[in-house]
Formats: sequence, C-alpha cells, structure tokens
Amino acid sequence: AQSVTQLDSQVPVFEEAPVELRCNYSSSVSVYLFWYVQYPNQGLQLLLKYLSGSTLVESINGFEAEFNKSQTSFHLRKPSVHISDTAEYFCAVSERGTYKYIFGTGTRLKVLA
Amino acid sequence: KAGVTQTPRYLIKTRGQQVTLSCSPISGHRSVSWYQQTPGQGLQFLFEYFSETQRNKGNFPGRFSGRQFSNSRSEMNVSTLELGDSALYLCASSFHDSADSPLHFGNGTRLTVT
Repeated sequence: AQSVTQLDSQVPVFEEAPVELRCNYSSSVSVYLFWYVQYPNQGLQLLLKYLSGSTLVESINGFEAEFNKSQTSFHLRKPSVHISDTAEYFCAVSERGTYKYIFGTGTRLKVLA
Repeated sequence: KAGVTQTPRYLIKTRGQQVTLSCSPISGHRSVSWYQQTPGQGLQFLFEYFSETQRNKGNFPGRFSGRQFSNSRSEMNVSTLELGDSALYLCASSFHDSADSPLHFGNGTRLTVT
C-alpha cells in the first residue's frame, strides 16, 4: 500500500544553519513526489515537485530535494535557513495512473535566532 | 486570479449537529479534493470530485459526504458531529485530470465541536 513517512515531527535549527527534512515513501508503482509548506493559519503551498527527469529539483527560495529511487526517499534540504522558513512541511506522493495524494504527517521546522 | 476560497473560516458546533463547508476552486479547475488536518495525524484524504463525480474516497464514515456543482464549487457535509471531528478542513483544487497536477489549497475551515 502507498504510504509516506516523515520521521521527524519537529526540527529546531539555528538561523543560517543547514537543514534536512526527511521523507520516505512506499509504493508498488511509479510515483510523483511533492513538498508542500504550510505557514500558520494558512493552507498548504507547493514548494517543489519531482515528476520525471533530473532527480534534483529546486524551489525559488533555496530549498532543494533529491529523488532517490533505490532508497525510496525524497529528502528536503536547504543550506542556510532563515527565520521566515519557520513553518510545517509536508511530503506527498501520488501514484501514476490515479488521482490520489498521500501526505506525510508533517515536520515542523523552527528556525531559532 | 483568485485562489481557492473556503467559507466559513471558523465554525463552532455542538455534538449531534450537522455542518456544511463550502469551497470555490480556482477558475478553470475542475478537480476538488477535501482533507481533514489534525495535529499528529497530518492530512487525511476525505474525497475528490471531478466534473461533479466523486472519483476517490478516503476511509471516513458515511457521516462525511460531499458534492460538486456544475460550476466546480464543492460542499462538504458532516452530520451527527462528534468531538473528534474538530479539525482544520482543507479544500484543494487542480487544473489537470492527472496525478502529476499540483494541488492548490484554500486557507481552510477550522471546525470546533463542543
């Protein structure tokens, strides 16, 4: 069955430090992978996506994620975080040929001054 | 272009009552999905509609139902409310009829059941 695991529920990190938010998935078919971000009192916004091609994808605000098929992972990284990156981050998977998203339970990133 | 609009933003109901939540998708988007978000559980998929037809349904009891109108607007109804139904309910729309199409979320309706 399709599932998404975000092992870290909370990640505190100091400003300008690097961060990695982990995401692992399981699926018996090919998938599309997404990271969404949720700021307080708002809905989710798409951060980046992997559909095909290069396994490294980037967002406009400095985040990147790498699709690793052998490890079934799609970890999110940023080399230097800002206070404004404080939010909850959700990894999501959708299976090709279907129209159903599965979300992870989210990781709360707290950037400390 | 206006984003996904959910109304109302906040609701307080008592156990046993019913509630209807509304979602207006981005213009041109024909797919609308509903999710329940609770702390620790993440987002749980409720159902998805496309061109007025329910295509997918999550593992929620029959008290949870929805529909989509010809203008793509969608409503979600919860009957016989329970305390555990307290959550943020998110609506999302997308343009394409495929799994690679990103979701666009509204700001949600926060339901509190007392």
